[in-house]
This record gives sequence, structure tokens and C-alpha cells, in this order.
Amino acid sequence: KAGVTQTPRYLIKTRGQQVTLSCSPISGHRSVSWYQQTPGQGLQFLFEYFSETQRNKGNFPGRFSGRQFSNSRSEMNVSTLELGDSALYLCASSTFENNEQFFGPGTRLTVL
Amino acid sequence: GENVEQHPSTLSVQEGDSAVIKCTYSDSASNYFPWYKQELGKRPQLIIDIRSNVGEKKDQRIAVTLNKTAKHFSLHITETQPEDSAVYFCAASFGWGKLQFGAGTQVVVTP
Repeated sequence: KAGVTQTPRYLIKTRGQQVTLSCSPISGHRSVSWYQQTPGQGLQFLFEYFSETQRNKGNFPGRFSGRQFSNSRSEMNVSTLELGDSALYLCASSTFENNEQFFGPGTRLTVL
Repeated sequence: GENVEQHPSTLSVQEGDSAVIKCTYSDSASNYFPWYKQELGKRPQLIIDIRSNVGEKKDQRIAVTLNKTAKHFSLHITETQPEDSAVYFCAASFGWGKLQFGAGTQVVVTP
């Protein structure tokens, strides 16, 4: 099976802009979780989607949002970008039956 | 609250020696504990996991132990090799699709 894929791999934006990141899960995986990874805060959970529904959400401001499509692909959006949003954004997919999460390569977002 | 503490933050070992990383978690409802290895510039890779109904699990040179009463779990790597050098993260599940990660351990294996 193909692994989790994420696009784009790199993004450079300026403060105030918005960005959309995409994640395609492993075939058959219906749960997609998103994480932010920074040197200072480590890996932090953003939200999780299953069957197009957000089931869980982390402690991030409302500028961070997401959605999931009927084919399980997921997108996350960050509006009004701030310098502190610079990070590696990782998505992970898993089946419904267990919590084994497999990560994509990530999208490196740089906010200038 | 939901918290996972991981120690040590850095670990240097000689090739062939063993490495042990320890984590504690706060929520007794957590029932799934994976370990990830992340090499520089790469994605986190699931290397082993354990569920709350099991006390120990082994996969070749890697083993994980879980003490539910004390709410801590550990990763053991035996016969370390240079390719084991990476950052290792422990995690605990907190509800649907949410993994709470420890801060990571930088493991350096010197030949």
C-alpha cells in the first residue's frame, strides 16, 4: 500500500495570509489526525477527522481548521498566519479499529 | 490534565550497549502507547506499541514495558547500532485519534 502523502511539501507565506495543506491517507484508513511539530513545543495534536466529522480537537486557536472529504482525504487551513505558525505540519492516518497512526512526510510551513 | 513526560532528553551510548527511555502519563484512561523514531528530516516512524492489557512486548532488539499502576512505560533497545541514532518519541492515546507525545529523546550511538 502507498503511504500517507502530503502536499505541498514546502510553503513560504507572509504574515496575514492563509494556507491550505492536504493529506491523503493510506488506502482504507478513515481516520486522519493532524499535528504541529516545532523545536520548542514538540509534537502537538491539532484535530482528528473520521468519516468527514471532527471527533477531537487540540488546544489551538480557531484560525486552525480542517475538513475531511468522502474519500478520507483531509485538508487543514490556517488563516491570518502569524510568525509562530512556522512549523512542520504532519498528518497521520489510522483505521477505525485501532490507534496505530502512520505519518506522512509533513509540510514545512515558513511564515515571514 | 493530559501530559506525557519523557526522560532523558539526550542519551549517548556506545555501539553494542543498551538504551532505555522512560515515559510517564497522567490519564489512567489511556490504553495505547506507541513509540516513534524520527530521523533528521524524516517523518516519525512507528517502531513498536503496547496496549494497556499487555505488560511487555518485544520485537527483535526493541522491547516496551508498561506499568499501568505506576502509569509509566519504557523503551528498551539492546545491542545498539549507529543506525539507531535518532529522536525517539513516546506517546499515549487520549481519545479519538489523539496522541499526546513526550518531548523526545535524542539518542546518539557512537561506534
